[in-house]
Amino acid sequence: DAKTTQPTSMDCAEGRAANLPCNHSTISGNEYVYWYRQIHSQGPQYIIHGLKNNETNEMASLIITEDRKSSTLILPHATLRDTAVYYCIVNRAAGNKLTFGGGTRVLVKP
Amino acid sequence: DAEITQSPRHKITETGRQVTLACHQTWNHNNMFWYRQDLGHGLRLIHYSYGVQDTNKGEVSDGYSVSRSNTEDLPLTLESAASSQTSVYFCASSESRENTEAFFGQGTRLTVV
Repeated sequence: DAKTTQPTSMDCAEGRAANLPCNHSTISGNEYVYWYRQIHSQGPQYIIHGLKNNETNEMASLIITEDRKSSTLILPHATLRDTAVYYCIVNRAAGNKLTFGGGTRVLVKP
Repeated sequence: DAEITQSPRHKITETGRQVTLACHQTWNHNNMFWYRQDLGHGLRLIHYSYGVQDTNKGEVSDGYSVSRSNTEDLPLTLESAASSQTSVYFCASSESRENTEAFFGQGTRLTVV
């Protein structure tokens, strides 16, 4: 699976959009981009995933660049409960074995 | 509601003892996974299973074993616990091999003294 690079940490103001970048320059054609988050030592929680089209669900939006070498997770209106470590993972559809990196520690401030 | 549960949530054991951590899911998922997470780090894959009687080694499988005798359960056994295995263990399941989300349990905090 391709390796991902994320900023170590970032702050966000409550109520504002949080834009979390992820680089995956070695992604191959059959690999998906997944985002999970982990709130204070709980089990990771699935957020969203995509292949090449932008995706949106009730939690977030995923924007993938046309060359698929990077993506951005957007939390449209961050709340204090969105404080967590966010993991960007590139994964082939087959297998669902997830390789977690260090993630981005997001702190939402009042 | 369907769910995935781990037990115990916390355990302290002595070096050299055999320990088994339980994972039970009620979604009837084919895929089940065990990860460990050390302080300040991401999760690492220990073992995984794609169905009954199927088990596979992950990135950090030494000292661990699993068995899959039914769809619902994937117990993780530490054959002879070592202090290096002090960690938080997460179990996960997913519906199939194809492009699906994984659901994680709440974790088991294991301390080996």
